[in-house]
Amino acid sequence: GESVGLHLPTLSVQEGDNSIINCAYSNSASDYFIWYKQESGKGPQFIIDIRSNMDKRQGQRVTVLLNKTVKHLSLQIAATQPGDSAVYFCAENGENFNKFYFGSGTKLNVKP
Amino acid sequence: DAGITQSPRHKVTETGTPVTLRCHQTENHRYMYWYRQDPGHGLRLIHYSYGVKDTDKGEVSDGYSVSRSKTEDFLLTLESATSSQTSVYFCAISEGYGYTFGSGTRLTVV
Repeated sequence: GESVGLHLPTLSVQEGDNSIINCAYSNSASDYFIWYKQESGKGPQFIIDIRSNMDKRQGQRVTVLLNKTVKHLSLQIAATQPGDSAVYFCAENGENFNKFYFGSGTKLNVKP
Repeated sequence: DAGITQSPRHKVTETGTPVTLRCHQTENHRYMYWYRQDPGHGLRLIHYSYGVKDTDKGEVSDGYSVSRSKTEDFLLTLESATSSQTSVYFCAISEGYGYTFGSGTRLTVV
């Protein structure tokens, strides 16, 4: 697998704390959003998605919040673990439901 | 990675040479995509396909061409590689909502 050394915003959290990763999206016509996790040396992996008719969606230890008014997404990770260390990307579908545009990513470092 | 394979995993090539990257899926998904990932730019769409012989350009398609003669294979060709095409290339597949990504190909053009 591959990844690149990205010059990214970095969030450092202590193991066990909650993490919040933010993303601003650009297209007000976007109606579907996804968060991806990319571990070192691997391709991005789906975490959770949300449609524009929702404000919040919960998964296992993760919650996505959508604020359409200010075009903002956030990913909340509860009880962050060392295995959560990765780069996190948000993606929006623009005006095409099957073509996604990605943010530049946030690197999450979890300190033991 | 859920039935998606990219080859080669690494390649070093010289400026001006043609290069073809292959993406192979066993999921029978309709949609296939090629992205490149570079520092400071995240993932950018090069080309995508919505069926056999049906392809379209993404946001950074200049210098790249694609072909899809079978559902399972999506080829990305750099007709004449340049140093600016040094990158990590990811293939993705989809049945409409969300992607599954391959493991990537690191291409270095020297």
